[in-house]
Amino acid sequence: QKEVEQDPGPLSVPEGAIVSLNCTYSNSAFQYFMWYRQYSRKGPELLMYTYSSGNKEDGRFTAQVDKSSKYISLFIRDSQPSDSATYLCAMRKYGGSQGNLIFGKGTKLSVKP
Amino acid sequence: NAGVTQTPKFQVLKTGQSMTLQCAQDMNHEYMSWYRQDPGMGLRLIHYSVGAGITDQGEVPNGYNVSRSTTEDFPLRLLSAAPSQTSVYFCASSYSGSGGSYNEQFFGPGTRLTVL
Repeated sequence: QKEVEQDPGPLSVPEGAIVSLNCTYSNSAFQYFMWYRQYSRKGPELLMYTYSSGNKEDGRFTAQVDKSSKYISLFIRDSQPSDSATYLCAMRKYGGSQGNLIFGKGTKLSVKP
Repeated sequence: NAGVTQTPKFQVLKTGQSMTLQCAQDMNHEYMSWYRQDPGMGLRLIHYSVGAGITDQGEVPNGYNVSRSTTEDFPLRLLSAAPSQTSVYFCASSYSGSGGSYNEQFFGPGTRLTVL
């Protein structure tokens, strides 16, 4: 079993829809949970990160972490065609090297006008 | 700031050839790393460095070599290219901070490598 599982999609939604992207993980030592967005033929860029459990909101984006279920989610409200990208979850242990991130495979999202 | 830059953008090699992928950052970040991204595999860590003169292996280090002589540069060397090394390679950098904090990793634009 891989440490981080993410459905690769692809996921296609109409403009204005609410999008839910999810990852599950097996290592209970993970404390930092990140969502990166990657446009086609570009490098990933950090969208949001959460420490430990709870919710975090930034504009149309909400990140949720449920450590008891080992499950994280990213919600996108009022999705826009510009949100079309691959979304990668990533995780790290507390105290680990900054760069020792474990990435999910990424979910490719397409928002249709 | 240019951020993280990578050269070349594209490269085609023949099996057995060697080459160096260049990565540079101008943000004075202590931490730098190399990832490869393959379809259906996500991003996998190859090698990383926590400062000049210090490097360590990631998840998939075989066939790759790194060194870090300056804070700014972190080249990745392919010693004898194989078709299995066909991939998109990303360099990333961040501040190290303490183990109890998270510092954003900034990624370069990537190098697309094909090994025939």
